[in-house]
Amino acid sequence: AQSVTQLDSQVPVFEEAPVELRCNYSSSVSVYLFWYVQYPNQGLQLLLKYLSGSTLVESINGFEAEFNKSQTSFHLRKPSVHISDTAEYFCAVRKDYGGSQGNLIFGKGTKLSVKP
Amino acid sequence: DAGVIQSPRHEVTEMGQEVTLRCKPISGHDYLFWYRQTMMRGLELLIYFNNNVPIDDSGMPEDRFSAKMPNASFSTLKIQPSEPRDSAVYFCASSRDSHSGANVLTFGAGSRLTVL
Repeated sequence: AQSVTQLDSQVPVFEEAPVELRCNYSSSVSVYLFWYVQYPNQGLQLLLKYLSGSTLVESINGFEAEFNKSQTSFHLRKPSVHISDTAEYFCAVRKDYGGSQGNLIFGKGTKLSVKP
Repeated sequence: DAGVIQSPRHEVTEMGQEVTLRCKPISGHDYLFWYRQTMMRGLELLIYFNNNVPIDDSGMPEDRFSAKMPNASFSTLKIQPSEPRDSAVYFCASSRDSHSGANVLTFGAGSRLTVL
């Protein structure tokens, strides 16, 4: 069975500091990996995804994540955070069914709190 | 497109009452998902549909919960009778099928249920 572990439930950080949100997964087959972000009182939005190819994926707002197969990790990073990045971040994994749909397994989320 | 639309946004009810949550997915999306989010358990998949047919309902907590999708543009999640432990935010999400497996979920804003 697949699972996703987000090692930190809360990460406080000062504005303009770097941040890393950790995510590890377990699966015996190929997977697709995602990071979703949830701003207060809103639904989740896709931040970035890894399907295949380059192990480093980037979002439009400066976040990046690196797929590390040997470490079974997909950590999310940003070199300099803004107040507006304050949100909850969810790592998710979907098993590669070879093109057919499966459901996402979400981690429990990491609350990023950016302080001025 | 207006995105995934959920109603009501907030519902406060008393134990034993019937609760119906509604969802309108994005037009053209083949998949619809119902998730429940709580502090203790995080984001849990309750059920998902493909082309209006329930595919996996193993996440539905018990017989008090039921979900229907009578057509491609509407789904309901019903709880009868409701209990205080059902208090949570319920999210509906939809996605389009993709042969690459790169299904991206679009979430609604959620329905916050409080059962007194």
